[in-house]
This record gives sequence, C-alpha cells and structure tokens, in this order.
Amino acid sequence: SQTIHQWPATLVQPVGSPLSLECTVEGTSNPNLYWYRQAAGRGLQLLFYSVGIGQISSEVPQNLSASRPQDRQFILSSKKLLLSDSGFYLCAWKWLASNEQFFGPGTRLTVL
Amino acid sequence: SQQGEEDPQALSIQEGENATMNCSYKTSINNLQWYRQNSGRGLVHLILIRSNEREKHSGRLRVTLDTSKKSSSLLITASRAADTASYFCATDVLDYKLSFGAGTTVTVRA
Repeated sequence: SQTIHQWPATLVQPVGSPLSLECTVEGTSNPNLYWYRQAAGRGLQLLFYSVGIGQISSEVPQNLSASRPQDRQFILSSKKLLLSDSGFYLCAWKWLASNEQFFGPGTRLTVL
Repeated sequence: SQQGEEDPQALSIQEGENATMNCSYKTSINNLQWYRQNSGRGLVHLILIRSNEREKHSGRLRVTLDTSKKSSSLLITASRAADTASYFCATDVLDYKLSFGAGTTVTVRA
C-alpha cells in the first residue's frame, strides 16, 4: 500500500531563517507530487506541482521554492522566511492516470 | 485562484440529521471531487463525480452535479459525531491540478 510522509509535523522559525520541509511517498512510482498551503480557516492554495524528477511548476510567485531530487521525494524550501509564510503545508500525490489526490498529515509552520 | 466556493461556511446539526453543503465553480470542469479534513490533519478523498454524471452515492454520501448551473452539492445522511470536519470541493480543470474551495465546517452535536 502507499504511504505519504511529511516532516516535521510542527515548526516554529524566526523571520529571515531558512526552511526545508520534506515529503516522501512509499509504495508507488512516478507519482505526481503537490505542495499546498492552507491559511487558518481557508482552503488550499496550490504552490508547486511536479510530474517527474527535476520537473517543478510554480503556481504562485512567492518566497518559496520546490525541488524533486528523487522520484518519491518532494522538498519545499525558502532561503529567508517571511511572516506571511506561516500556515499549514500539505503535500499530496496522485497516480498519473487517476484524479484522486492523497494527502500527507501536513506541517504546521509558524514564523515569528 | 480558487475556483470552487462552498456554502454555507459553517453548519451545526444534531446527530442523526442530514447535512447538506453546496459548491459553486466558475469554469468548465472534467470532474469535481469532495474531500474531508479533520482538524489539523490532511485531506481525505470522499467522492468524485465526472462532468457527465448527475448524481453519485457512496455509503451515506450523496453528491449531485449540475454543470448548467456550475454547482454541486454534498449530502451526508444520518450524521454522526465522527462526521465533524471541514468539507472541501475541488474542481479538476486540467488532469494534474485541483482547485479547492474554502470549505464548509460541519459540527455534529451529540
């Protein structure tokens, strides 16, 4: 069966510090991968998606970047965090031929 | 930008009652999906309805889709305390991207 992991679960970082959030998927290959951000009480905003290793598409201009160094690994990064980067970050994957997305448990990021 | 918008934003019902929430969207879609999110957790896929379908059932869930009105509804019958969660509609415009609404928060009172 497939499993998606995200870490850390929670993170408190000062403004201006770097960020690295990791997402890994087990039990499948060649998944589409996604990073979303969810502000408190709001819906999901798609940040990045990837259809293959090294292939990253950015949806929203921002202070963040994403990388996919391995088939089942998706990393969200920032060189310098802003207060507005606070939120709940969700990673998701799906099979190429499927429409359903499977979500990880999320990372709660607070930038102070 | 968000394509789907759920209504109402919040809903409180008694256990055993039905809960109905609606989703409106702006552009043509391939399919529409509903997800559930328990507080502080990831989203879980509930049901998918394709653009050529009008109604779909899954257990206590019933989804309708009216493409002429660009709207969908999710009905949860005989609600339980465990149904307390936020519910999101997501529209699939392109095969690899979903656009989520802001969600409906459902509270089921015992």
